[in-house]
Amino acid sequence: QVQLQESGPGLVKPSETLSLTCNISGDSITDYYWTWIRQPPGKGLEWIGYVYYNGATKYNPSVKSRATISLDRPRRQLSLRLTSVTAADTALYYCARCKIDCSSNICYGRYFDYWGQGTLVTVSS
Amino acid sequence: EIVLTQSPATLSLSPGERATLSCRASQSVSGNYLAWYQQRPGQAPRLLMYAASSRATGIPDRFSGSGSGTDFTLTISRVEPEDFAVYFCQQYYDSPRTFGQGTKVEIK
Repeated sequence: QVQLQESGPGLVKPSETLSLTCNISGDSITDYYWTWIRQPPGKGLEWIGYVYYNGATKYNPSVKSRATISLDRPRRQLSLRLTSVTAADTALYYCARCKIDCSSNICYGRYFDYWGQGTLVTVSS
Repeated sequence: EIVLTQSPATLSLSPGERATLSCRASQSVSGNYLAWYQQRPGQAPRLLMYAASSRATGIPDRFSGSGSGTDFTLTISRVEPEDFAVYFCQQYYDSPRTFGQGTKVEIK
């Protein structure tokens, strides 16, 4: 049974960098995409992006220029860095496991079958 | 990007009633690459359905999904007290992956 646990500072100042980590336990790292999703208070869900075990990444264009997602395989730790944050980045940030389908060496991320409990990040001075 | 529009925004039901939730896509979601999630208050979303009509592990059979193309439906045959929650649809046919804005199923 996979378990995901997010951690990071709850408060970040505008224009600074948000850094979060997610500890992954209980399952193979290599068979999935590892994902960050966020949810502003009282609102819907936004996919930020994901990373494969080989370092390949894909991002939502809405954050692409500011986001970096990485995977430390020995430490089984997923990370998110989001630069130049504003109040619009205030949200509950989830890490999640993404099922993949691979064909002809191309893998596609599908749905999110396990989620962490989320960590709230507030952007405020 | 594919925009998913869920309706109604809120569904007020009594336990035992049937719930019908709609998810409409701005363009065709080929392959029925659509999932549904349940989010109870204060909890992370939980996968209910994938491929439009396949139940995830451990999901009771009162939940069912249907649809194709641009119109998808999640049905709860008889709503139980633990089913009062917010439900989101998500497409995984195109990038970026997108979610609907949610339907809240509340106690009438």
